[in-house]
Amino acid sequence: AQSVTQLDSHVSVSEGTPVLLRCNYSSSYSPSLFWYVQHPNKGLQLLLKYTSAATLVKGINGFEAEFKKSETSFHLTKPSAHMSDAAEYFCVVSDYNNNDMRFGAGTRLTVKP
Amino acid sequence: DTGVSQNPRHKITKRGQNVTFRCDPISEHNRLYWYRQTLGQGPEFLTYFQNEAQLEKSRLLSDRFSAERPKGSFSTLEIQRTEQGDSAMYLCASSPSRVAGELFFGEGSRLTVL
Repeated sequence: AQSVTQLDSHVSVSEGTPVLLRCNYSSSYSPSLFWYVQHPNKGLQLLLKYTSAATLVKGINGFEAEFKKSETSFHLTKPSAHMSDAAEYFCVVSDYNNNDMRFGAGTRLTVKP
Repeated sequence: DTGVSQNPRHKITKRGQNVTFRCDPISEHNRLYWYRQTLGQGPEFLTYFQNEAQLEKSRLLSDRFSAERPKGSFSTLEIQRTEQGDSAMYLCASSPSRVAGELFFGEGSRLTVL
């Protein structure tokens, strides 16, 4: 079965500095990969997705992620953090028909002024 | 608001009681999912509907759990004889079948079992 490992439970950055949230995946098939964000008291929202097209995927709010098959990674990056980026971020892998989407344990991003 | 709606938002119950949660998906979405999320963990898949048909169930969905989606519209998740271990956030999401993997989540229903 597919799974993801988010390598950091908590990341803290200063406003205006780069963000890197790390994710490694395991899948028997060619995976579909996603990043979701959860702001306090809000529903989960899709940031971006990889579904076997371009390996560099751009999402909302300036985030992007790169699919690296050789490293089984799908790290999330942003060049410059904003205070509003503070939230919980989840890396997600799904099987070929996208019915069973497996979430990582999450990375809490803190942005300091 | 035309997003996914979940009710009630918070339910406190005593061990052994039955509880039911309701999810109203986005109207044109034919896929509906239930997830469970406990503190410090990511959401865990419970079950999935395509229209009114329940197509997949996780092993996490014990015999005390039942989900329905009559007429392919809203869905209910019932937990019978609740246990303290059932305390969690229950998340509902819907998806249009043409968009692979893009789930629209509600804000969740938090269950506290005393």
